Amino acid sequence: EVELVESGGGLVQPGGSLRLSCAASGFTFSNSVMNWVRQAPGKGPEWVSSIGSSGSTSDYADSVKGRFTISRDNSKNTLYLQMYSLRVEDTAIYYCTKVERFESWGQGTLVTVSS
Amino acid sequence: DIQMTQSPSSLSAAVGDTVTITCRASRAITNYLAWFQQKPGKAPKSLIYAVSILESGVPSRFSGSGYGTDFTLTISSLQPEDFATYYCQQYYSYPLTFGGGTKVDIK
Repeated sequence: EVELVESGGGLVQPGGSLRLSCAASGFTFSNSVMNWVRQAPGKGPEWVSSIGSSGSTSDYADSVKGRFTISRDNSKNTLYLQMYSLRVEDTAIYYCTKVERFESWGQGTLVTVSS
Repeated sequence: DIQMTQSPSSLSAAVGDTVTITCRASRAITNYLAWFQQKPGKAPKSLIYAVSILESGVPSRFSGSGYGTDFTLTISSLQPEDFATYYCQQYYSYPLTFGGGTKVDIK
């Protein structure tokens, strides 16, 4: 059974940084495109970033480009999202998802950007 | 970017009703269309991918149709556990985008 477990969320001031992690199990992680999707309070889901199976390719939403970096460690079955220059509007639950059609989701980790 | 437009944004229905939600893409996405169900406080759950393929364990009262730019999610004989918000999503090209959602509540 696929399991995705996010961690690393919390309260951070505007301009701060945070690194999210997603531990994956139950499937061949190194063969799968992985993504981060976020959902602000009361809003719909928003794709944030994707990374290819080997980690050599990645893509970002315009809203986070230049501030967020996605990466993965296939030896640890773990996906990461390094977030810099955080803004109030980055406040959301961040979900780790599997493949481009978001086949599986984790439970999410809450990131709150506030002074 | 491909914009996904869902309608209606909300609807009220009774148990046993048949419900139809539509999703329109701003340009053709062939069959790269998925549907999700989300209940309050929970992560979205994949229901359907490639327009009409049900994920394992999804009841057969859910069905999807369409191709190109116009798509439909139909829930036949609505059950109490189906009251939720539904989203469509295109995975034809980046940026991957979602529809605005349709909230289905009890009449």
